[in-house]
Amino acid sequence: SQKIEQNSEALNIQEGKTATLTCNYTNYSPAYLQWYRQDPGRGPVFLLLIRENEKEKRKERLKVTFDTTLKQSLFHITASQPADSATYLCALRPSSNDYKLSFGAGTTVTVRA
Amino acid sequence: DTEVTQTPKHLVMGMTNKKSLKCEQHMGHRAMYWYKQKAKKPPELMFVYSYEKLSINESVPSRFSPECPNSSLLNLHLHALQPEDSALYLCASSPRGRTGDEKLFFGSGTQLSVL
Repeated sequence: SQKIEQNSEALNIQEGKTATLTCNYTNYSPAYLQWYRQDPGRGPVFLLLIRENEKEKRKERLKVTFDTTLKQSLFHITASQPADSATYLCALRPSSNDYKLSFGAGTTVTVRA
Repeated sequence: DTEVTQTPKHLVMGMTNKKSLKCEQHMGHRAMYWYKQKAKKPPELMFVYSYEKLSINESVPSRFSPECPNSSLLNLHLHALQPEDSALYLCASSPRGRTGDEKLFFGSGTQLSVL
């Protein structure tokens, strides 16, 4: 069966450090992988998309890598701030032209001042 | 306007009630989605409408009835719900739906409690 696994349910880090989150998937062959941020009681907000032929994508203090051989994506928050505290979800589709976007369970990041 | 607006934000209903959740977007998106999310769980897809036609129904019980009156509006009609249906119901939209690199725009959700 298809699975999307985010290996840490919670991550606590000190302000200024780098948070690294992992997303592993099985029985998918995604051409794209997305990352979203979700705050409590709110809907997810899109952060980044990475294509299968891209090794790395950056947006401000965020960096995403995508290894289709390992079937894994890493999500990094550098120089973390308390405002980065949230749940981060990875998401992908079974195939490029599929309506269904499926999500991992998320990793909750707490940044301590 | 890059917002997806959901109403109401909170809803408490009894198991015999009929209620509706509403979702609206004015981004010209032609795909709209309903997701259900329980606490500390990922959003789970319920329905997808593409160009106002139901494209995906993820084997959702018939007590949930979606409706897409036009390209900007999406409703979810609720009837005879069970307490286990209590969850955050999220509406989302995307430009066309079947392009793999499309991102979803989510509303803030309706927190539903069934008593």
